[in-house]
Amino acid sequence: QKEVEQDPGPLSVPEGAIVSLNCTYSNSAFQYFMWYRQYSRKGPELLMYTYSSGNKEDGRFTAQVDKSSKYISLFIRDSQPSDSATYLCAMSADGNNRLAFGKGNQVVVIP
Amino acid sequence: GAVVSQHPSWVICKSGTSVKIECRSLDFQATTMFWYRQFPKQSLMLMATSNEGSKATYEQGVEKDKFLINHASLTLSTLTVTSAHPEDSSFYICSARLGAVGYTFGSGTRLTVV
Repeated sequence: QKEVEQDPGPLSVPEGAIVSLNCTYSNSAFQYFMWYRQYSRKGPELLMYTYSSGNKEDGRFTAQVDKSSKYISLFIRDSQPSDSATYLCAMSADGNNRLAFGKGNQVVVIP
Repeated sequence: GAVVSQHPSWVICKSGTSVKIECRSLDFQATTMFWYRQFPKQSLMLMATSNEGSKATYEQGVEKDKFLINHASLTLSTLTVTSAHPEDSSFYICSARLGAVGYTFGSGTRLTVV
């Protein structure tokens, strides 16, 4: 079993829809959870950072972590064509440790 | 915000030659730099972790003699792909830790070996 599982998609949604992405993981030691956005041929950029369980909201983005289920989610409200990118979940055990990445989810927002 | 500048953004080289990729932290000191490799439609695979002034730690299966990493200062880390072959063609990305708020990534280098 891989440490981090993320369905690679792709996912196409109409502009204005809610995008829902998720990852599951197997390592119960993971405490730090991140979502990155990666445009084609570019490095990932940090979107959301969450420590332990709970919800975090930043503008149109909401990240949720459920450690009991080993499940994390990212929601994008009022999606825009500029949100079209690949979204990667990442996590680590103690913040100084290496990141374990999901495969990435390609999202296409159709105008 | 903290920026990691990575160069070159793309490079084409002949089989058997070596290629050097640089990552510089522009407005912060990067004690630790991570080097990743990404194949099309795949996730980032950690190749090695480099710490300033010491030898890099390579992940299992990564040839340390082929992928030479140097982290001579707190603002510069380099990855040299030696005797490159077509199977080394990939997208290489560096990353530095940003305290308690995650990691910042370089813009990546697309290497094509012909």
